[in-house]
Amino acid sequence: QLQLQESGPGLVKPSETLSLTCTVSGGSISSNSYYWGWIRQPPGKGLEWIGSIYYSGNTYYNPSLKSRVIISVDTSKNQFSLNLSSVTAADTAVYYCARTLWGGDPGSFDVWGQGTMLTVSS
Amino acid sequence: QSALTQPASVSGSPGQSITISCTGTSSDVGIYNLVSWYQQHPGKAPKLIIYEVSKRPSGVSNRFSGSKSGNTASLTISGLQAEDEADYYCYSYAGSSTFMVFGGGTTLTVL
Repeated sequence: QLQLQESGPGLVKPSETLSLTCTVSGGSISSNSYYWGWIRQPPGKGLEWIGSIYYSGNTYYNPSLKSRVIISVDTSKNQFSLNLSSVTAADTAVYYCARTLWGGDPGSFDVWGQGTMLTVSS
Repeated sequence: QSALTQPASVSGSPGQSITISCTGTSSDVGIYNLVSWYQQHPGKAPKLIIYEVSKRPSGVSNRFSGSKSGNTASLTISGLQAEDEADYYCYSYAGSSTFMVFGGGTTLTVL
């Protein structure tokens, strides 16, 4: 059974770069026709899609975050990662990694990690 | 401000049916049949309950159903149960530029 696990620093200072990793177990990150995505949720607020990477390596980013986001894959480690630069307090949130259903709907995330809280504070 | 508009809250009694709306535009909900719904209990990750407007993933109760008319998608929960009390979010594909948008979420209270 596919499982995802986020890992990260927990606390980042303003203006620094946030780096999170999602480790995939029980399946291959190279399997075709899946999107792998990052979604975040500020405390008490709704879901915000950050970006996704397709099995082919194509990346897709939320236009409002695009200038600060990079998503990449490390197939040797079966992981994908999120880098978000120039963070502010507004980036404080629970960050989730997730995978879609097979076959092409980029928003049908059926497997999720448990989420990791990221706080931006000096 | 979310791209898709959902009511902030809905409520119903056990056994009743409720419907949550998700209003978008002709650039997302109105043109693509790629609408999903997620259920989220407090402190938990979201769970996919509807995809492609009206399809249910394996293991999801048939009490959950989805539909779409024009720029508005809807989630209906029939035979309300206490365990249905949660937040619900809609999503729509929005084309190659915006790519995807979420609704602001609806809190369902089972009275």
